Amino acid sequence: DIQMTQSPFSLSASVGDRVTITCRASQSISRNLNWYQQKPGKAPKLLIYSASSLQSGVPSRFSGSESGTDFTLTITSLQVEDFATYYCQQSYSSPPTFGGGTKVEIE
Amino acid sequence: EVHLMESGGGLVQPGGSLRISCAASGFTFSNYAMSWVRQAPGKGLEWVSSISIAGGTTYYADSVKGRFTISRDNSKSTLNLQMNSLNAEDTATYYCAKGLGPGNYYEWHYWGQGTLVTVSS
Repeated sequence: DIQMTQSPFSLSASVGDRVTITCRASQSISRNLNWYQQKPGKAPKLLIYSASSLQSGVPSRFSGSESGTDFTLTITSLQVEDFATYYCQQSYSSPPTFGGGTKVEIE
Repeated sequence: EVHLMESGGGLVQPGGSLRISCAASGFTFSNYAMSWVRQAPGKGLEWVSSISIAGGTTYYADSVKGRFTISRDNSKSTLNLQMNSLNAEDTATYYCAKGLGPGNYYEWHYWGQGTLVTVSS
């Protein structure tokens, strides 16, 4: 199985901050990497697919990038509604696997 | 608007069985691969199972293979998960998720709100 290592485990930030979350795959997954946002008690919501494609309706302050087996989710100018847990997920091969999650908290 | 609504969750004893379902609307259900993804309380996300558009091809996580069966009824736009030989490790919220397209099993563009399955005596 492909292991997805996500960091940091958690972070504290303020409204307006730039936030970066990283995800490393244990082997090449091409660009088959997706990012989800989950708020407490809610279902995950797709933000980014295929490493850098923005899902319809997602604000443009969210972006994704890729460098080899390293992937990055960036939130420019963090908003109150962005405080949540973020997961990366590889869709390259079965079984699809998730990173452990990054909780973004208010500083 | 895409809508996925899970049902059938509840409390079941270890070794018991449960069938959960997902009612889909707002899109042509028969054109999309569908999946179940679960989340244990306070834990991360875990893929459980996926099914092709016609139902003839299914995939399972090793942790549920041989115990769970995914199925779909395209005439009713419904996805099902039959869960047998349940144990405490199966306690989780189970989410129904819609794939990107007919052959895309593992990119989930829409999710239901989930149904909680609790395995306990």
